[in-house]
Amino acid sequence: QLVLTQSPSASASLGASVKLTCTLSSGHSSYAIAWHQQQPEKGPRYLMKLNSDGSHSKGDGIPDRFSGSSSGAERYLTISSLQSEDEADYYCQTWGTGIHWVFGGGTKLTVL
Amino acid sequence: EVQLVESGGGLVQPGRSLRLSCAASGFTFDDYAMHWVRQAPGKGLEWVSGISWNSGSIGYADSVKGRFTISRDNAKNSLYLQMNSLRAEDTALYYCAKDKEGAIIDWGQGTLVTVSS
Repeated sequence: QLVLTQSPSASASLGASVKLTCTLSSGHSSYAIAWHQQQPEKGPRYLMKLNSDGSHSKGDGIPDRFSGSSSGAERYLTISSLQSEDEADYYCQTWGTGIHWVFGGGTKLTVL
Repeated sequence: EVQLVESGGGLVQPGRSLRLSCAASGFTFDDYAMHWVRQAPGKGLEWVSGISWNSGSIGYADSVKGRFTISRDNAKNSLYLQMNSLRAEDTALYYCAKDKEGAIIDWGQGTLVTVSS
C-alpha cells in the first residue's frame, strides 16, 4: 500500500535551516513526490516536484531558499534562511497507478 | 494566470446531495487531469477523486467510493463533484486541483461543505 509518512511537527530558529522528511512506504522508493506549503488560514501552495534521484522542479515564484533532495525512500524539503512566513504546514503528495493520489499527514513547522 | 474557482458548497443535511463546480481559466483545460482534495477542520489534506483529461480514467478515495461522482466538461472548462448520501465526516473545505504528470501544480481557494442537521 502506498503511504507517505511525515513527522507531525518541526521547529527551527529564524534565519536557520530546517530539513523536513517524507518517507515512502516499502516497495515505493522510486516514486516521485510533490511538496506543498499551507500557511495559516490559507489554501495550499505547490512548492516543487521531487524525483527519486533528487532532481526537482519548483513552482513559479518559489524562492531559492527552498530545495529538495532524495535518499532511498526518503524525500526531503530543506528551507534555508528561515523567515517568519515559512511557518506553515508542509505536505508531501504522491501518485499511484491509475488515478490515485496520496498525501502525507503533514508537518507543522514552527519558526522560533 | 491560472485560476481555479470552486463553487456549490454550503450547509446540507446528512443523507442529502450537493454538487460542486470548479471553473478553470488561464490554461488549456483539456490538457490536464484534475482532482478534488478536501480538508476537514483542523485536519490534513485528503485526496477525494481525480479524472484524466478525457474522462477515460477516474479514481476515488475509498471513503467516498459509491457516493461521489467526478466529471468534467472540457467545452465549459469545468470540473464537477456530485456528492450523494452526505455524512457528517464529509464536512470539509473542498479544493479543485490541477495535475501535471502526477503532481498538483495549482490549487483553487476551496468551497466549504458542512453536513449537519
